[in-house]
Amino acid sequence: KAGVTQTPRYLIKTRGQQVTLSCSPISGHRSVSWYQQTPGQGLQFLFEYFSETQRNKGNFPGRFSGRQFSNSRSEMNVSTLELGDSALYLCASSLGQGESYEQYFGPGTRLTVT
Amino acid sequence: DAKTTQPPSMDCAEGRAANLPCNHSTISGNEYVYWYRQIHSQGPQYIIHGLKNNETNEMASLIITEDRKSSTLILPHATLRDTAVYYCIVRVGLRRWESQGNLIFGKGTKLSVKP
Repeated sequence: KAGVTQTPRYLIKTRGQQVTLSCSPISGHRSVSWYQQTPGQGLQFLFEYFSETQRNKGNFPGRFSGRQFSNSRSEMNVSTLELGDSALYLCASSLGQGESYEQYFGPGTRLTVT
Repeated sequence: DAKTTQPPSMDCAEGRAANLPCNHSTISGNEYVYWYRQIHSQGPQYIIHGLKNNETNEMASLIITEDRKSSTLILPHATLRDTAVYYCIVRVGLRRWESQGNLIFGKGTKLSVKP
């Protein structure tokens, strides 16, 4: 079974621009979660989508948004980029339901804002 | 979700067992213990999880104490490729449709496997 894929793997943007990152989950998985990882803050949860609906959200400003399509693929968008948005953005897919289940992470998209 | 405490770093000789401890003294009855690891610049990798009983899979074993206040991840024969940051996460098990899509990562334990 193919793993979680994220595109692009690397991205360089300028302050003020916007960016869209893409995540394709494992086949059959209905939940996609997004995380931001920085050296200072570690891994922080952004939001989760399940069946095209956002059902959980972390403590990030409204510049960070996302969506999920009917095939479970997900995109996240960051508008008006700031230098502090430079990070590794990770998505994780899972079945999304049940008493317990594991999440599988993609390789991440390394975003650099200059 | 309950908080976890892990040592910041550990060393292990190649070929020996690596035993990574995790304290979760405030864990409640319906919370699961999950272990992930992150090799430098890659996405975290799921290792194993458990509720009460010890668990084993092809990667590792998870030993949970009877009072569930601590656990140990065991890599039976550590290799250089096991060098990574290991995260112990406690997360509540929820009913079917409730949100549980996020993991709260701490700082983890940086395991260095040395030749």
